[in-house]
Amino acid sequence: DTGVSQDPRHKITKRGQNVTFRCDPISEHNRLYWYRQTLGQGPEFLTYFQNEAQLEKSRLLSDRFSAERPKGSFSTLEIQRTEQGDSAMYLCASSLVGRDGLVEQFFGPGTRLTVL
Amino acid sequence: TQLLEQSPQFLSIQEGENLTVYCNSSSVFSSLQWYRQEPGEGPVLLVTVVTGGEVKKLKRLTFQFGDARKDSSLHITAAQPGDTGLYLCAGALAFSGTYKYIFGTGTRLKVLA
Repeated sequence: DTGVSQDPRHKITKRGQNVTFRCDPISEHNRLYWYRQTLGQGPEFLTYFQNEAQLEKSRLLSDRFSAERPKGSFSTLEIQRTEQGDSAMYLCASSLVGRDGLVEQFFGPGTRLTVL
Repeated sequence: TQLLEQSPQFLSIQEGENLTVYCNSSSVFSSLQWYRQEPGEGPVLLVTVVTGGEVKKLKRLTFQFGDARKDSSLHITAAQPGDTGLYLCAGALAFSGTYKYIFGTGTRLKVLA
């Protein structure tokens, strides 16, 4: 299966701890996106990369959040000093940007974070 | 603020019934996608529509993109329990030389056997 993969699938941590999630996109995709999704809601955009460049960050992404894509392939999302409000599903997606703005995002299975 | 509103928010129907989910915005999209998401999983892409007025069919699912590319609908014929899930629309907006991707609020569908 050459889809988007995320690791870990589940993470339980105590408030104040740091956590890091990994995303491996579809290999030929140049764009990689991070979203956060809480129960019953649609995904909320956090940030995206085109190759290794981080092109946009949402206002939702506080200074405790940082994302990297050092070689333009896999990406990591780190949350420092976790808070209970950070509990959510963190989704990664990748895409190509086609002609005329055709953007089809393919999602990974997500990492469910629970902060106790 | 660009918003993509979906209606209804929740829908519970009996197996065999038809239904339509709507996705509306005041913004013009260069493309729009529909996804289905099951609990604990990521959204799965169902279809992409690009051209105003475009209609695409995927078995019992019919997707339509509005003529002005501001809205879309998803129609399911003879719904089955396997159609249960969260349906999300998402649109790509041209913005300052790049594209912003906006998700709708979601429609949670439950099909009862």
